[in-house]
Amino acid sequence: EDKVVQSPLSLVVHEGDTVTLNCSYEVTNFRSLLWYKQEKKAPTFLFMLTSSGIEKKSGRLSSILDKKELFSILNITATQTGDSAVYLCAVPCSGNTGKLIFGQGTTLQVKP
Amino acid sequence: AAGVIQSPRHLIKEKRETATLKCYPIPRHDTVYWYQQGPGQDPQFLISFYEKMQSDKGSIPDRFSAQQFSDYHSELNMSSLELGDSALYFCASSEENTDTQYFGPGTRLTVL
Repeated sequence: EDKVVQSPLSLVVHEGDTVTLNCSYEVTNFRSLLWYKQEKKAPTFLFMLTSSGIEKKSGRLSSILDKKELFSILNITATQTGDSAVYLCAVPCSGNTGKLIFGQGTTLQVKP
Repeated sequence: AAGVIQSPRHLIKEKRETATLKCYPIPRHDTVYWYQQGPGQDPQFLISFYEKMQSDKGSIPDRFSAQQFSDYHSELNMSSLELGDSALYFCASSEENTDTQYFGPGTRLTVL
């Protein structure tokens, strides 16, 4: 059965800290891994990763995939209070329909 | 840029009533997905459509049905509503042969 596990489940940091969020997955026919940010509304797309070792970067956020060890990390540097959100990791399930299997999410709280 | 549109944004119904949720995908996106997200939970896949045909079905109750119309918008029909149906319902859309799904703002359904 396809599975996505995120850690930690919650995290509290102070502004300026750097955080690393983890996502491990088990899927029969891996195609890609996606990161979303959810702030009490719709998940907002951050990154899609398909190849190992190639870092995707957007501002203070970056992410990398390790297809050998079946995990991905999402890094946020110089955190701000606006980064407070639930970060969801998802993979399209085995098969061609593309439905996403989500992890439990990491709730990040950034304190001033 | 145009995003996924969902209506209504909020809906309050009594038990045993019927609800219809609507989703308008991003222009030129031909695939629509429906997800249900309970409080503190990750989104769970319900059903998807590709080119107006059902492409996959998840843990969707028999009381629910959905379809995609010729203009690619989709409707989720929910009958005999139960208290446990109270949740956020997201619609997401994607282009053909891509894994990235873009989520709408969601419909918050409350069943009293």
